[in-house]
Amino acid sequence: DAGITQSPRYKITETGRQVTLMCHQTWSHSYMFWYRQDLGHGLRLIYYSAAADITDKGEVPDGYVVSRSKTENFPLTLESATRSQTSVYFCASSPGTGGRETQYFGPGTRLLVL
Amino acid sequence: AQSVSQHNHHVILSEAASLELGCNYSYGGTVNLFWYVQYPGQHLQLLLKYFSGDPLVKGIKGFEAEFIKSKFSFNLRKPSVQWSDTAEYFCAVTLLNTGFQKLVFGTGTRLLVSP
Repeated sequence: DAGITQSPRYKITETGRQVTLMCHQTWSHSYMFWYRQDLGHGLRLIYYSAAADITDKGEVPDGYVVSRSKTENFPLTLESATRSQTSVYFCASSPGTGGRETQYFGPGTRLLVL
Repeated sequence: AQSVSQHNHHVILSEAASLELGCNYSYGGTVNLFWYVQYPGQHLQLLLKYFSGDPLVKGIKGFEAEFIKSKFSFNLRKPSVQWSDTAEYFCAVTLLNTGFQKLVFGTGTRLLVSP
């Protein structure tokens, strides 16, 4: 039971480089989410997806791009990384969002932008 | 703006002490309430949740939370903490509404339990 996995777990990159963070879930959940976790801000939603080929912006989408060609995958791309994008990124999934469904989180990716 | 407040950013307790972590939200409508926990080196996981009914909710590992609608609060409690409760705790809320139900998190409370 793999659940939800993220790769890489740790990444160091330089300002201006493109970085892609991967997220894979094995439950066939409809919804997938990307959050960033920063000290003093908790978790903030970057993007979410309701199904394959359906994505929408969250609270802090600037500088990020997502895609969802398959239900199980939801990659997050930083098109041109900036130092302010240094953070811990969490992917999550849930079977729905009627407001009561539990979100299941991946282990996180620690990203350092130099 | 919709928000969730956790006023205790860091809490240090000795084993067997009682715990109460505060959570307040700013929504005026019907809400669903959650507490998530992140143990060191692990991913976030659900501790407990409240939708309706009995405002005292019991979760895993002896945790409970009480919903007080008049105070817009959903405080987390445990009568006697253990060293293994050392973790970061997040309160989260969804607003019962039409469309996508965004989960809004508080800033988290780091709990350190000393043996």
